[in-house]
Amino acid sequence: KAGVTQTPRYLIKTRGQQVTLSCSPISGHRSVSWYQQTPGQGLQFLFEYFSETQRNKGNFPGRFSGRQFSNSRSEMNVSTLELGDSALYLCASSLARGLAYNEQFFGPGTRLTVL
Amino acid sequence: GQNIDQPTEMTATEGAIVQINCTYQTSGFNGLFWYQQHAGEAPTFLSYNVLDGLEEKGRFSSFLSRSKGYSYLLLKELQMKDSASYLCAVRENSGYSTLTFGKGTMLLVSP
Repeated sequence: KAGVTQTPRYLIKTRGQQVTLSCSPISGHRSVSWYQQTPGQGLQFLFEYFSETQRNKGNFPGRFSGRQFSNSRSEMNVSTLELGDSALYLCASSLARGLAYNEQFFGPGTRLTVL
Repeated sequence: GQNIDQPTEMTATEGAIVQINCTYQTSGFNGLFWYQQHAGEAPTFLSYNVLDGLEEKGRFSSFLSRSKGYSYLLLKELQMKDSASYLCAVRENSGYSTLTFGKGTMLLVSP
């Protein structure tokens, strides 16, 4: 079974630009979550999607947005990039069928560098 | 507010036992997860606790005390490949998959 895939793996942008990151969950997984990982703050939750609906959102500005498609694939967008947006963006998928266990499986991440 | 604390760094020698502690104060609790993350790689699942007590899985064990807001990950018979960051995470709401993470503990295993 293929794991969570993320594209692109590396990205370099300049301040003010926008970027779109893509995530394909494990087949059959309906929940996709996005996290930002930086050395100073660790892993911070951005948002969670389930059945094309955003059902939870972290404490990030409105420049960060996302969506989920009918095939469960998800994209996140960051507009008006700032230097502080440089980070590893991780996507995680889970079955989300009311299981108490409900492990999240992480993709390899997209390393975004903002110059 | 949400607060998950774990030591920043730990060192140990090959073959030894190490215990990584995690304390949490969250608005809700619906399970505690431990993940391992090697440099440049994705986090991988190690263990899950939702009830008090010890869960053992090979060389790794995890303990939870909900009344104390405390968990630990115990690694036995340490190997060089165990050098990694260990992340403690809490799921606060049973309706979501969302995890709140601590900043991670970097473990360095030396020969």
